[in-house]
Amino acid sequence: DVKVTQSSRYLVKRTGEKVFLECVQDMDHENMFWYRQDPGLGLRLIYFSYDVKMKEKGDIPEGYSVSREKKERFSLILESASTNQTSMYLCASSLPSGYTFGSGTRLTVV
Amino acid sequence: GQSLEQPSEVTAVEGAIVQINCTYQTSGFYGLSWYQQHDGGAPTFLSYNALDGLEETGRFSSFLSRSDSYGYLLLQELQMKDSASYFCAVSVADDKIIFGKGTRLHILP
Repeated sequence: DVKVTQSSRYLVKRTGEKVFLECVQDMDHENMFWYRQDPGLGLRLIYFSYDVKMKEKGDIPEGYSVSREKKERFSLILESASTNQTSMYLCASSLPSGYTFGSGTRLTVV
Repeated sequence: GQSLEQPSEVTAVEGAIVQINCTYQTSGFYGLSWYQQHDGGAPTFLSYNALDGLEETGRFSSFLSRSDSYGYLLLQELQMKDSASYFCAVSVADDKIIFGKGTRLHILP
């Protein structure tokens, strides 16, 4: 089975901090994605990547950046965390027909 | 714009059958998929339809009509563990998926 691992299950950070969310997949997939999930808003795409060093903006990229230096690792960066970035963050790696998600990181910015 | 519409909540009785509908309007279409998410967990892939018709996987079936931009997930012999949120999702160009806002399924004993 494809495994997508997110490094932290819960995080609490202060406003203005730089935050790194890490995601690793073990199936040599080229495509990886970062979503955030909020009540009533569903899953919204932040950034995605088709290959090493390649990145594309999703629907809500503002306030975020990403890094893909190795194929298996896709990092989401909050340059200066704000309270409106408190959310559940989900990383995914793609199969031809669907995604495998990591277990999610619940980030709280105080 | 691109949109997927599905009911926000559905309630059914244990042992019964329930259908969750999804209509979509997207700029591209490669297929319709369904995901299940339990509280506190991550979405897990259930099914994928690229062609019209019904796909069956155990108690779950998924249907697609591309001409109607419509699909549904059918859950049979409902069990309490099926209480979860269910998301429909459309695969658009470049392996990108757009998700609906999810349907919360409540199951009564």
